[in-house]
Amino acid sequence: EAGVAQSPRYKIIEKRQSVAFWCNPISGHATLYWYQQILGQGPKLLIQFQNNGVVDDSQLPKDRFSAERLKGVDSTLKIQPAKLEDSAVYLCASSQGTGGSGANVLTFGAGSRLTVL
Amino acid sequence: AQSVAQPEDQVNVAEGNPLTVKCTYSVSGNPYLFWYVQYPNRGLQFLLKYITGDNLVKGSYGFEAEFNKSQPSFHLKKPSALVSDSALYFCAVRRSTLTFGKGTMLLVSP
Repeated sequence: EAGVAQSPRYKIIEKRQSVAFWCNPISGHATLYWYQQILGQGPKLLIQFQNNGVVDDSQLPKDRFSAERLKGVDSTLKIQPAKLEDSAVYLCASSQGTGGSGANVLTFGAGSRLTVL
Repeated sequence: AQSVAQPEDQVNVAEGNPLTVKCTYSVSGNPYLFWYVQYPNRGLQFLLKYITGDNLVKGSYGFEAEFNKSQPSFHLKKPSALVSDSALYFCAVRRSTLTFGKGTMLLVSP
């Protein structure tokens, strides 16, 4: 079974520039998540999709972050304009079944490391 | 609201000795509890989970965790540590969303 694919693995930009990250979940996984992991902290949920609908985006800074899940499969996370504090690893994860099943195990991608200068 | 606390930033143990990585949590209702491990430059990997039933949960790579509702805690354990176990370990709790602790670095010395 192929894992969760993310790209790019690394990205360096200057503040106020824009950046986009792409995620391809495990085939058949209905739920997709984007997490932000700042150095020294645990991952923080930014947004959760079930198929192509948003389940939870309460911690997404909507003035600069946006995300979409095309046709309930791939997803993109965009930051515009970027700030210094956005430097982090952006993790994509997916799980089977509905997001309401708390027992579902999340499978994570390797992450996209963003450095904002 | 739900939260997870991992009180130790780092745990040091000698190879062959038992290890414990601590986790306490706060959540209303019955929790789903997880442990994930993160190796350098890699994503999080699932180790084990507690849903219901036996308080001692066995997972990957010889790890186990004990659910204690009264404390409440979900400490990760392994009877005999390996150098290759050195990594960053995250405890997580889930009701609606999966909330992670800040992580504990485990260093196993030869």
